[in-house]
Amino acid sequence: GENVEQHPSTLSVQEGDSAVIKCTYSDSASNYFPWYKQELGKGPQLIIDIRSNVGEKKDQRIAVTLNKTAKHFSLHITETQPEDSAVYFCAAFKAAGNKLTFGGGTRVLVKP
Amino acid sequence: DTAVSQTPKYLVTQMGNDKSIKCEQNLGHDTMYWYKQDSKKFLKIMFSYNNKELIINETVPNRFSPKSPDKAHLNLHINSLELGDSAVYFCASSDRATNEKLFFGSGTQLSVL
Repeated sequence: GENVEQHPSTLSVQEGDSAVIKCTYSDSASNYFPWYKQELGKGPQLIIDIRSNVGEKKDQRIAVTLNKTAKHFSLHITETQPEDSAVYFCAAFKAAGNKLTFGGGTRVLVKP
Repeated sequence: DTAVSQTPKYLVTQMGNDKSIKCEQNLGHDTMYWYKQDSKKFLKIMFSYNNKELIINETVPNRFSPKSPDKAHLNLHINSLELGDSAVYFCASSDRATNEKLFFGSGTQLSVL
């Protein structure tokens, strides 16, 4: 089955700096890669996603990149703000089996 | 309006008891899920139902029994609770057309004493 590894597990940044979270996946049949943000006491919420036919996608201060050959994808947050503090999850989806596999999560702390 | 709502938010119970968690979604989605999040925040799928039919059952002990009375509801019943069942349980839903996009509820924190 699919295996998604996520690094780092914790990330502390100064407000205004950038944060980068990296994920790798094992199954080349996976074709959709979402990122979820989980705030304290809440469920994960989709913040950005990328499909396997696209290399990069940006939405304001967040961007995702995908290297299909290396089976790597990354989340980039620029100009971090305290409200960016949360746990972030990457995931990989394979249509066959209709299954979304999550990475282990990254706890991001933005220090004012 | 809450899109995916689950109750209760907190559940504290003794080992050996039986308990249920309820989930409802008002998004008109066809597919619903139960995920378990352990103390290290790892999210693992337990079950998936499409239009009341079970489609994913991930090696979950048969003490856990999901029930879907209609496509808007997916409840989780747990028999003979064990200490290791303590976790946060999330309900989620997705639309058939974009099954990969999940909408999560706010979670039920289960503590088994």
